Amino acid sequence: KNQVEQSPQSLIILEGKNCTLQCNYTVSPFSNLRWYKQDTGRGPVSLTIMTFSENTKSNGRYTATLDADTKQSSLHITASQLSDSASYICVVSARTSSASKIIFGSGTRLSIRP
Amino acid sequence: DTEVTQTPKHLVMGMTNKKSLKCEQHMGHRAMYWYKQKAKKPPELMFVYSYEKLSINESVPSRFSPECPNSSLLNLHLHALQPEDSALYLCASSQDRTSGSYEQYFGPGTRLTVT
Repeated sequence: KNQVEQSPQSLIILEGKNCTLQCNYTVSPFSNLRWYKQDTGRGPVSLTIMTFSENTKSNGRYTATLDADTKQSSLHITASQLSDSASYICVVSARTSSASKIIFGSGTRLSIRP
Repeated sequence: DTEVTQTPKHLVMGMTNKKSLKCEQHMGHRAMYWYKQKAKKPPELMFVYSYEKLSINESVPSRFSPECPNSSLLNLHLHALQPEDSALYLCASSQDRTSGSYEQYFGPGTRLTVT
């Protein structure tokens, strides 16, 4: 069964600190993995997208890693800012020759405290 | 232009009303999606249009009726909704459904409240 599990469910850290969010998946055949940031009541915004051959990808203070062997990904946020408070969703795509299927994780709710 | 727009931003409707949600993109994407998202939950796929044809209906009740008038527009017609249908409705688009590492672009959503 195709599943995407994220941990922790929620996280509170102080402004300026770093944090790492985890994503484990059992999706086959794997196509790509994306991390989205979603502010409350808004649509998700893409942070990074990684394919099978990519191990790490950065977008400013966000760095995503992918281990295709263990089927794990992480999103590392450095020097957190108040505006980083949001839900972070891991999304994995499975692709056959005819179509793609997208599986969403339940997200990690991150709160940055001043 | 990498934007997906949705109107209205907020909608309050009674259970006997008929209303429509609209979504528009001008990125030349040929796949468009409707998602429903309840609070603190991930988006749930409702419908997928590929090249203006309905390709996926995730067993959505008939009170939700999608329409794709052209490759840039996607509508969701609402009729006789229930209070439990209150949610954030997200529209997304992507290049298509089969090419490489295609990426979905999401709109800001319509916050729907059914009274």
